[in-house]
Amino acid sequence: DQQVKQNSPSLSVQEGRISILNCDYTNSMFDYFLWYKKYPAEGPTFLISISSIKDKNEDGRFTVFLNKSAKHLSLHIVPSQPGDSAVYFCAAIASGNTPLVFGKGTRLSVIA
Amino acid sequence: GAGVSQTPSNKVTEKGKYVELRCDPISGHTALYWYRQSLGQGPEFLIYFQGTGAADDSGLPNDRFFAVRPEGSVSTLKIQRTERGDSAVYLCASSPRDYPWTGELFFGEGSRLTVL
Repeated sequence: DQQVKQNSPSLSVQEGRISILNCDYTNSMFDYFLWYKKYPAEGPTFLISISSIKDKNEDGRFTVFLNKSAKHLSLHIVPSQPGDSAVYFCAAIASGNTPLVFGKGTRLSVIA
Repeated sequence: GAGVSQTPSNKVTEKGKYVELRCDPISGHTALYWYRQSLGQGPEFLIYFQGTGAADDSGLPNDRFFAVRPEGSVSTLKIQRTERGDSAVYLCASSPRDYPWTGELFFGEGSRLTVL
């Protein structure tokens, strides 16, 4: 059973537009949520995170929104750039010594 | 370099053989993690070390998989009697594990294992 779900395997967006990547989770004990970005032949790199006590966190072009009642979070990238083309993983952690749990990822393609 | 280093980057082996994958974490990071990423999947947790001891090995799929970190720095993931289903990218990550830990991991580039 997947605790973190990314139901869209791929997304294509035009340069300059908004990219919205979605993530759902099932474990109500999760209290931190993270987004990682992965380029081919590289390891995932941390992008942005949000605590469960917040509903929004913004860092430059990247904003993460959290809806706890719906167990849903989303990553918004505005404006999208060709260099944003990568696989984006949603991840979550429960407090304590539990491992970080990843979704399957969404491949974003930003078209110039 | 200052990042997490993994060797080999690619390993091709035959079914039934023994394989070792090495991870050199960021200097000073006390926590070290092994994840496995199969095609079309996200990283799946295997094992976590805090210092020299395995704090959580609940993700190891079976007893063919074993990992060590004898001096609290470099770690080796060992796979015995490899099977074709073991083919994946094995990712190592480290973290300073400051409290409260918010989940940020620093990943290496991974070791791609192919079992023929």
